Amino acid sequence: EVQLVESGGDLVQPGGSLRLSCVASGFTFRIYEMNWVRQAPGKGLEWVSYIGTSGTNIHYADSVKGRFTISRDNARNSLYLQMNSLRAEDTAVYYCARDIITGGESFDYWGQGTLVTVSS
Amino acid sequence: QSALTQPASVSGSPGQSITISCTGTSSDVGGYNYVSWYQQHPTKAPKLLIYEVNNRPSGVSNRFSGSKSGNTASLTISGLQAEDEADYYCSSYISSSSTLYVFGTGTKVTVL
Repeated sequence: EVQLVESGGDLVQPGGSLRLSCVASGFTFRIYEMNWVRQAPGKGLEWVSYIGTSGTNIHYADSVKGRFTISRDNARNSLYLQMNSLRAEDTAVYYCARDIITGGESFDYWGQGTLVTVSS
Repeated sequence: QSALTQPASVSGSPGQSITISCTGTSSDVGGYNYVSWYQQHPTKAPKLLIYEVNNRPSGVSNRFSGSKSGNTASLTISGLQAEDEADYYCSSYISSSSTLYVFGTGTKVTVL
């Protein structure tokens, strides 16, 4: 069974930092491209970042570029999101999501999400 | 990059068919056959319903179908059931130097 389990969400002050983790199981993690997607309270989905299988092909939404860093450790079946210079508007549930293997540019499995709250 | 435009709400009675639209531009919906649809129940993670405009992942009911014409994609739910009451989001791959995907604004489906 495919599972994605996020952790690391917390209450942090504006300007602070946080590192999210996503541990994958039930599939061959190293051959899948991965993403982070977030959802502010009561709002819609927003794609945040993408990382290719080797970790060298990386993309970010303009809203987080220069502040967030995505990475992965294929030996540990883990995906990470380092978030710096956090702002109130970064408050959201953060999901890790697996790219569909067919190259269809879709997310076929999602974790349960981890809540990040940026507030003083 | 602006979100794709979806109606805020759509409703229907059990057994009816409803259609949710998703309007973008030639740089996203109209430019690629990489439109996806997701269903999200309250407090749950999104679930993939449709990928590449009209393909269903294994296990997704054939009551869900997708299509596209120009810059507008559509999701049709036929034989509406109570468990279909949820939020629905479209998504598209986009042509951009950095941003890869854009989601729709979301549609709340109510089963009357």
